[in-house]
Amino acid sequence: DAGITQSPRHKVTETGTPVTLRCHQTENHRYMYWYRQDPGHGLRLIHYSYGVKDTDKGEVSDGYSVSRSKTEDFLLTLESATSSQTSVYFCAISAGTPYTYEQYFGPGTRLTVT
Amino acid sequence: AQSVTQPDIHITVSEGASLELRCNYSYGATPYLFWYVQSPGQGLQLLLKYFSGDTLVQGIKGFEAEFKRSQSSFNLRKPSVHWSDAAEYFCAVGVAGGTSYGKLTFGQGTILTVHP
Repeated sequence: DAGITQSPRHKVTETGTPVTLRCHQTENHRYMYWYRQDPGHGLRLIHYSYGVKDTDKGEVSDGYSVSRSKTEDFLLTLESATSSQTSVYFCAISAGTPYTYEQYFGPGTRLTVT
Repeated sequence: AQSVTQPDIHITVSEGASLELRCNYSYGATPYLFWYVQSPGQGLQLLLKYFSGDTLVQGIKGFEAEFKRSQSSFNLRKPSVHWSDAAEYFCAVGVAGGTSYGKLTFGQGTILTVHP
């Protein structure tokens, strides 16, 4: 158990509304990640963070922003939700030695945009 | 950029039969390789990992995987499948070095169904 929680676990929202998902970790890991999971696509990286206030884009970052104001929290914001953002969102942390990374995942947030 | 291919979208086996899930990667140097398992409605759990050394790695739940550099493969195996192994399995590749920021690239996943 890597001490990762995500909130909310389920959310239904309407098109055009902003949505913020929270990832919280308790073990002071430096690297954190947001993925989305869709059938047939596996997991795709949205954004990642390599420290407080240090973030960068992943492969599917359009329509998403992130913030990390403290080590334990990594927030994902959908600025104006669209139906194409209906998905399951996973947060992960990276543990291990400095050059051999393994990721551990939170339980996920199921987001439905109507 | 690295990539991962899992050629089999869905595999069905009988309980007690052996299992092999295929994973092929594309990366210029020695990769770091992982297998994860996801039960329905759950998050991903790390099954095993390869960083260096012995090319046959053992993981949890009786799984093993073999790294074959010549074939760019990292196939997952289990000698006797249990009904509880039914899940989706993901192969992932990571890049060495501090500037990689620990990012992983995942395959599309293989869904395993186990018949009694």
